[in-house]
Amino acid sequence: KQEVTQIPAALSVPEGENLVLNCSFTDSAIYNLQWFRQDPGKGLTSLLLIQSSQREQTSGRLNASLDKSSGRSTLYIAASQPGDSATYLCAVPPVGNQGGKLIFGQGTELSVKP
Amino acid sequence: DVKVTQSSRYLVKRTGEKVFLECVQDMDHENMFWYRQDPGLGLRLIYFSYDVKMKEKGDIPEGYSVSREKKERFSLILESASTNQTSMYLCASSLVGGAPTGELFFGEGSRLTVL
Repeated sequence: KQEVTQIPAALSVPEGENLVLNCSFTDSAIYNLQWFRQDPGKGLTSLLLIQSSQREQTSGRLNASLDKSSGRSTLYIAASQPGDSATYLCAVPPVGNQGGKLIFGQGTELSVKP
Repeated sequence: DVKVTQSSRYLVKRTGEKVFLECVQDMDHENMFWYRQDPGLGLRLIYFSYDVKMKEKGDIPEGYSVSREKKERFSLILESASTNQTSMYLCASSLVGGAPTGELFFGEGSRLTVL
């Protein structure tokens, strides 16, 4: 059974710092991995989707990498800003796919201090 | 841009009431999902649907039912609401039915309180 873990659960950094959020998964036979952002009391916003054949994806100040063999993905945020404060979640399809479903990590709550 | 719209952002209901949560997506997506999110438990899948009239149980279907009469609309029904169904409910959709590679898009969420 696929399990997704995000460590740390919470992270506080000063504005301007580059930071890395971690995501690990137990079964490396994944089709893709998706990173989301969630603001308090809101839904999830898709940030990046990495297919299994890709090593990384970039969108603006965000860069997500995928290492299937080690069961890890990282989300790199460059030059962090207070507006980046949110909870970041990663998710992968379950083993055997089961089309479209995702298994989520518990998230990392990021706070960027001015 | 894909838009997933949940009809109610906040609802307060009484125990035993029947509750309808509506979700509409505007991008002709085949897959639609209902999750609930609770502190410490994360997101848990309630039901999903690959196509009109189709539904599949997720991890926690007990106490819920769903309806998908039209491709763009997926409704979650609480037949008799209970206090343990107080939660944030999130609807999501993705493009291709049954396929693993689709990006998942979420609505803004519906915060349900059952008294």
